Amino acid sequence: SQKIEQNSEALNIQEGKTATLTCNYTNYSPAYLQWYRQDPGRGPVFLLLIRENEKEKRKERLKVTFDTTLKQSLFHITASQPADSATYLCAVAAAGNKLTFGGGTRVLVKP
Amino acid sequence: NAGVTQTPKFQVLKTGQSMTLQCAQDMNHNSMYWYRQDPGMGLRLIYYSASEGTTDKGEVPNGYNVSRLNKREFSLRLESAAPSQTSVYFCASRDPGKRRTEAFFGQGTRLTVV
Repeated sequence: SQKIEQNSEALNIQEGKTATLTCNYTNYSPAYLQWYRQDPGRGPVFLLLIRENEKEKRKERLKVTFDTTLKQSLFHITASQPADSATYLCAVAAAGNKLTFGGGTRVLVKP
Repeated sequence: NAGVTQTPKFQVLKTGQSMTLQCAQDMNHNSMYWYRQDPGMGLRLIYYSASEGTTDKGEVPNGYNVSRLNKREFSLRLESAAPSQTSVYFCASRDPGKRRTEAFFGQGTRLTVV
């Protein structure tokens, strides 16, 4: 069956350090993968999209990599700030426009 | 610029009651989705509509029905609510045909079934 797995344990990190989150998928061959941020009580907000022919994508302090051989995407927050504290979700679009999310990883940046 | 609008924001139902959650988007998107989110968990897909006139089951469709009323509106119906359906429900829309294919979400409906 198709699965999208993210580390369910919260990631506690010191301000200024780099947070690295993992998204692994099974039985998908996605043309692209997306990352979203979700704050408590709110809907997810889109951050980045990386396509299968892109190894790396950057947006300000965010970096995403995509390894189709390992079936994995890594999401990095560099120079983390307390305002980066949130839950981060990856999403894969399958055939028929079905959009499926991983379970999310909660990040807590301590000052 | 409203984006995705869900109604109601909060609802309490008794077991066995029925209700419809409404969702409307003003971005002319083709695809619309309904998700549920339980505490500490990610989004689980209930139903989706790839385009007007089509609907498909997601991961957790049991106990729900949907209607894609037109391109703008996608409703989710609980025919006989159960406590296990207590959750936060999110509607989303996107246009997969565009280069920017991100999903836009509504503010959520917090449903409690007692």
